[in-house]
Formats: sequence, C-alpha cells, structure tokens
Amino acid sequence: NAGVMQNPRHLVRRRGQEARLRCSPMKGHSHVYWYRQLPEEGLKFMVYLQKENIIDESGMPKERFSAEFPKEGPSILRIQQVVRGDSAAYFCASSPGTGAYYGYTFGSGTRLTVV
Amino acid sequence: DAKTTQPPSMDCAEGRAANLPCNHSTISGNEYVYWYRQIHSQGPQYIIHGLKNNETNEMASLIITEDRKSSTLILPHATLRDTAVYYCIVKADSWGKLQFGAGTQVVVTP
Repeated sequence: NAGVMQNPRHLVRRRGQEARLRCSPMKGHSHVYWYRQLPEEGLKFMVYLQKENIIDESGMPKERFSAEFPKEGPSILRIQQVVRGDSAAYFCASSPGTGAYYGYTFGSGTRLTVV
Repeated sequence: DAKTTQPPSMDCAEGRAANLPCNHSTISGNEYVYWYRQIHSQGPQYIIHGLKNNETNEMASLIITEDRKSSTLILPHATLRDTAVYYCIVKADSWGKLQFGAGTQVVVTP
C-alpha cells in the first residue's frame, strides 16, 4: 500500500520557466491538499481539491499558480513563470474524507529551486 | 479554527518521557486536537488526535484537560529519531484546513 507519491523529489527551474509538480494520493483517497514551506518557515496551506473540483484555494497566490486533480491521473500543481521567491518545498497530502477521524497522509515533498 | 500556543523548543533525554504542552483556550465544541511532527525536511507525519477523551496509540498518548483548553502529547520513551518539530493543531470535524503554526522543536539528546 504505497503512500502519497510526489515527483519529482527535486526540481530546478530557471526564472521564467514553468514548474509542474505531481502528486498521486494514497489508494482510495479522493481528497488532496497542497502545502508550501518556504525556507526556515512553517507549512502554509495552498489548495484543497477533490476529483475534478477545487474546493478551497484560499492559500493560492492569485497569479501564476494553478492546481488540478483530474478524474484520471495525479494532482498537478503548476507554477508559471517561476521567480526566485517560489523556491520552497511543496508538500501534498491526501485523505479518504474530511471527517475528524481522517488524518492526512503527507508525501515526501518536491523541493523546487529557481535559479 | 482555534489558535494554538506551543513552546518554541524543548530538550529531552533519550529514554525519558517527553511531555509536549499545547494551549488552545478558544477551542470550540466541534474541534478536535491533532498532533503532527516533521522530521527535518520530510513530510509531516500524523501522530494522534482526540476530542475530549485521552487517546493512546503505538506512537504516543494525548491527554486533554477536562475543559479542553489545553492538551499534552506524551512520547513515553523518547529516542533520537523523535527529534522533530511537533505541531499541535485544532480543526473542526467537517472540512477545515490543517493550519500549521510554528510548533515545538524537540531535540532528544543521548
């Protein structure tokens, strides 16, 4: 029973390029959450998705960032025209539901470095 | 969701119990207390959660005061691998995002 799979583990992009981060939730989990952790800072919620729907994107920057969770395939966090300030660890979590007894399972993260 | 207050850091000797306090004085009736930890650069790991009764699992025990305004996470026999940042979070039963604060940096020493 594989856990939450994120890839790539490390991603280097030049300023202005696009970054695509992928997250495959645990089997049977239809809820996906993305968090960002800037260097020396805490985890910040970005977006919550269910299959084909964005439920809460209150933590997403207004520009350049988007997320999707298609009917088939992994969830994708897309960052267009990356800047140095986007350098961070991006973590994905999944859960089978939103009730209290559903803890989140986190992936190992993608470390994005913008040069 | 209610806010939580944790000490920024604490040390613990290997083999001893680690008692991590958390204050959540504004917690409401439908909010649960969750504990997660993040070992350096890894993804956060779920530890335990509870509503009002004390809880225990293979990793830790959670003691919640009767008025629910504070709680304590207990690691019964700390090991070096328990060195991590520990986060206390309160969240409603229905959808409410997990909001991570600064947590407590726990360092277990030999």
